[in-house]
Amino acid sequence: AQSVTQPDIHITVSEGASLELRCNYSYGATPYLFWYVQSPGQGLQLLLKYFSGDTLVQGIKGFEAEFKRSQSSFNLRKPSVHWSDAAEYFCAVGGQAGTALIFGKGTTLSVSS
Amino acid sequence: GAVVSQHPSRVICKSGTSVKIECRSLDFQATTMFWYRQFPKKSLMLMATSNEGSKATYEQGVEKDKFLINHASLTLSTLTVTSAHPEDSSFYICSARKERSSYEQYFGPGTRLTVT
Repeated sequence: AQSVTQPDIHITVSEGASLELRCNYSYGATPYLFWYVQSPGQGLQLLLKYFSGDTLVQGIKGFEAEFKRSQSSFNLRKPSVHWSDAAEYFCAVGGQAGTALIFGKGTTLSVSS
Repeated sequence: GAVVSQHPSRVICKSGTSVKIECRSLDFQATTMFWYRQFPKKSLMLMATSNEGSKATYEQGVEKDKFLINHASLTLSTLTVTSAHPEDSSFYICSARKERSSYEQYFGPGTRLTVT
């Protein structure tokens, strides 16, 4: 079955510390992977995506993610977290063109000062 | 750019009434639009896929007679919650695709529905 797992429901990091949010997927075909961020009461903003090529992808706001096929993972990283990064983060996978994305349950990021 | 808007952003309605939510692609034509529902602290649940000019495809467990979806043009899809009940209160998000072969979706800002 196709699925996305975000093992961490809630993570708290100190401002300025590094961040890694985990994402594992199960998909029968070549996956197309996405990370979205959602602030309270808002829609989703695309941080980055992976379709093919270089497995380390750069996104907006200083985020990056690395696709590891052998581990079925697409973890999101940021070297130095800012208080404004506090939000909900969703990993998503898509495969067949024209179909909807499958979302993980999300990870809530809190940033402490 | 690829901007998707939703209207209204918030709506409160009384139990038993119907409410319509609009999803518009402002600067592109969307051959496909998706409607999601998001419960508090939960992920997005796909409700239906809407292709312009054809009937929407509903996910299992979603009542098509309760959640009416119309995709009458390439820039507009509407979701009508009929005979709303408090359990329909939720955050509804739409997204749009430019082409059927595309993998990217552009999300609207969401609509907060509260049924009293």
